[in-house]
Amino acid sequence: DARVTQTPRHKVTEMGQEVTMRCQPILGHNTVFWYRQTMMQGLELLAYFRNRAPLDDSGMPKDRFSAEMPDATLATLKIQPSEPRDSAVYFCASSVDGGGTRLNTEAFFGQGTRLTVV
Amino acid sequence: DAKTTQPTSMDCAEGRAANLPCNHSTISGNEYVYWYRQIHSQGPQYIIHGLKNNETNEMASLIITEDRKSSTLILPHATLRDTAVYYCIVRPIPLNTGTASKLTFGTGTRLQVTL
Repeated sequence: DARVTQTPRHKVTEMGQEVTMRCQPILGHNTVFWYRQTMMQGLELLAYFRNRAPLDDSGMPKDRFSAEMPDATLATLKIQPSEPRDSAVYFCASSVDGGGTRLNTEAFFGQGTRLTVV
Repeated sequence: DAKTTQPTSMDCAEGRAANLPCNHSTISGNEYVYWYRQIHSQGPQYIIHGLKNNETNEMASLIITEDRKSSTLILPHATLRDTAVYYCIVRPIPLNTGTASKLTFGTGTRLQVTL
């Protein structure tokens, strides 16, 4: 049963510490999305990649957040230094997108990483 | 810049059809309508998508008006497990090979299915 795997599921950290969240997309998927969800802001798109290259990271605070795909099986979202306002659930999703005029396909979401910064 | 408008919340009796409306009056010709839902504490789940024709799958039916300015997601026989937030999303076809398009969520409709 193919699924997107996110680790850790829960993370509690102190303000100022570095946080790294990991995502394993479904094998063969070429597009990866990172989202943040809070009660106030809902689901916000932070960044997305296609074939490991960032396409758009305009939703991400650049001074402290960074997103990378070291290889096709791993996407990372890093916060350094973390702040209490970063507390949220972070979701990763993956899909197969052909690009051009090919039909978009569904995105599969992971279970999320619940981050609490104290 | 909201591209879709949905009611904040709706109720539906178990076993009845749930009809969730979505307004997307500014949709353009290269944009699809997608529906996702999010059950409490889980990641969003894809339901269905369409361009201009009505679509049906094992989960739901999608009815798109002829002018494409609105659509309705139909869950034919709602169950308690369908209680969730339902998101209607307008998503463009990527115009260039080698790109992918954004998948941007709004505030959705909170559907409560009751006994």
